[in-house]
Amino acid sequence: EVVLTQSPATLSLSPGERVTLSCRASQSINRYLAWYQQKPGQAPRLLIYDASNRATGVPDRFSGSGSGTDFSLTISSLEPEDSAVYYCQQRSSWPAITFGQGTRLEIK
Amino acid sequence: EVRLVESGGGLVQPGGSLRLSCGASGFPFNSYGVSWVRQAPGKGLEWVASISGGGGTINYADSVQGRLTISRDNSKNTVYLQMNSLRADDTAVYYCAKDLYSGSNVWYFEKWGQGTLVTVSS
Repeated sequence: EVVLTQSPATLSLSPGERVTLSCRASQSINRYLAWYQQKPGQAPRLLIYDASNRATGVPDRFSGSGSGTDFSLTISSLEPEDSAVYYCQQRSSWPAITFGQGTRLEIK
Repeated sequence: EVRLVESGGGLVQPGGSLRLSCGASGFPFNSYGVSWVRQAPGKGLEWVASISGGGGTINYADSVQGRLTISRDNSKNTVYLQMNSLRADDTAVYYCAKDLYSGSNVWYFEKWGQGTLVTVSS
């Protein structure tokens, strides 16, 4: 099973700041990685797939990068509505799909 | 508009059974894979099971293999999750989610339902 480790676990930033979230895989997963945003009481929302492709309707302040074992999600200029938990997910080891444990982002 | 609506959750005793349903609309249902993903209270996301658009490809997480069964009825635009031999650690919100692409299963979850809560407790 591919283990995804996200860092940091939590962070608190101000509107307008730039943030980079990390997701590290226990073995190479090529670029088969997605990022999701989950706000309290809501279902997750797909943001990025195949490491760097933005899903439909996702603002361009969200970007993804990486390949192999190291990936990142960058939000270029934080908005108050970006407060959420962010999860990475890999499909490389299909049929064993796994998620990271999440990074909680608070906007002050 | 793409919609996924889960139903069937509730309180069940350990060892009991429950069947969840995921009704879909707004897209060519038989062309898309659908998965179940669960989230225990206050915890992260855990993939449970997936089924391809035609139903010919099915896979499960090790933690549910042999106890949970995914199926679909394309004539009713519905995916099911039959849950048997339930345990306390199956307590979670269960989401169904639609695959990103039609035809070829990529197992990225583009659209999610609102979830249904399953509580396993005596």
